[in-house]
Amino acid sequence: QSVLTQPPSASGTPGQRVTISCSGSSSNIGSNYVYWYQQLPGTAPKLLIYRNNQRPSGVPDRFSGSKSGTSASLAISGLRSEDEADYYCAAWDDSLSGHWVFGGGTKLTVL
Amino acid sequence: EVQLVESGGGLVQPGRSLRLSCAASGFTFDDYAMHWVRQAPGKGLEWVSGISWNSGSIGYADSVKGRFTISRDNAKNSLYLQMNSLRAEDTALYYCAKDPSGDYGDDAFDIWGQGTMVTVSS
Repeated sequence: QSVLTQPPSASGTPGQRVTISCSGSSSNIGSNYVYWYQQLPGTAPKLLIYRNNQRPSGVPDRFSGSKSGTSASLAISGLRSEDEADYYCAAWDDSLSGHWVFGGGTKLTVL
Repeated sequence: EVQLVESGGGLVQPGRSLRLSCAASGFTFDDYAMHWVRQAPGKGLEWVSGISWNSGSIGYADSVKGRFTISRDNAKNSLYLQMNSLRAEDTALYYCAKDPSGDYGDDAFDIWGQGTMVTVSS
């Protein structure tokens, strides 16, 4: 059971816009930044969004992040076949002595 | 080119120990915090441990606290994870990840290695 809650799956057709949600609590998303990672099959995770809505250089502007209260979302517009991957959200959690927490991951299928 | 290369994984019996290493290159290693993140087969990501740039601040997931020890050698641009009293549930691909800040709790993981597989089984 992951601390951050994501839907296990999402899907869309090429060109569509899809969103993936990430729900947490006041000790993590509610008080800290959210990060998003893309993991293509058989590869290491790659940073997609940092500090809620910032894109690292090289990440297309088709990817965007937002946060409101204790929830966050990743939006992918102009969906492409190469976007088919697992997506994870992450945040620092202030509870106990502090630790990083992840969502369970969302498998995105491009139909 | 920024690169992280993990090594030291393998098959180990329950209760035994293993030491993972991560060799860093392409950036000023001692400026940044580092982490270990693992992924069990077919499962999601789990943060294991983090260490600040000067080893002054260290944190562990509850699942490994008291059994795993993270360390770094800035002179050798290397990160380590000493894993003791291994259990079947520790079976996972272990990733070394760079933090864009100096403290392991300030920012997340911007660069990842390819991982080293640890299998705990009799």
